Amino acid sequence: EPEVTQTPSHQVTQMGQEVILRCVPISNHLYFYWYRQILGQKVEFLVSFYNNEISEKSEIFDDQFSVERPDGSNFTLKIRSTKLEDSAMYFCASSPLIGATNEKLFFGSGTQLSVL
Amino acid sequence: KQEVTQIPAALSVPEGENLVLNCSFTDSAIYNLQWFRQDPGKGLTSLLLIQSSQREQTSGRLNASLDKSSGRSTLYIAASQPGDSATYLCAVTRTALIFGKGTTLSVSS
Repeated sequence: EPEVTQTPSHQVTQMGQEVILRCVPISNHLYFYWYRQILGQKVEFLVSFYNNEISEKSEIFDDQFSVERPDGSNFTLKIRSTKLEDSAMYFCASSPLIGATNEKLFFGSGTQLSVL
Repeated sequence: KQEVTQIPAALSVPEGENLVLNCSFTDSAIYNLQWFRQDPGKGLTSLLLIQSSQREQTSGRLNASLDKSSGRSTLYIAASQPGDSATYLCAVTRTALIFGKGTTLSVSS
């Protein structure tokens, strides 16, 4: 069964460093998402992406964050200058459609980011 | 702003018991509601999706209901098994998924 793959599974970085989290969505999906989950808290929406541009973003997704689809398969989340509070599990997700009432999101297994 | 609440936060039951997990949401203008399972350190697996026009969905031992007017959903698990132990998340969709905090279920053998 097709799945969303994320790399790396764990990333440790120093505060102020840039990190890039990588995702390969399911191949025929058109919509891509990043979510994050701080330990013990809710899964939070960061950004959605369609047709090579951001379609929606949350308040969390400030100027320190950016997303890119550099080629036909990868979808990346960049954090420019990491802060301690960016430590979280980051999930990538994809779906074939958006706004359709019967469309599920498929999630990757996440990248655990630890900022020291 | 949409808020999703799940009760209880944690639940422990013996194997074989039937159980109900609850989810409530504040804004009834949703496209659908999904129930996910999350195992420790793992991603989210979609269990059931109920469209806004539907009242319930079933998959095996799982049955989810939706009452949009009251802003509530339940996930019913029949004949629970130790392998059902996980965190169950409820999420509603308008454009992005808005999640509850989850119910952590522990089923003892």
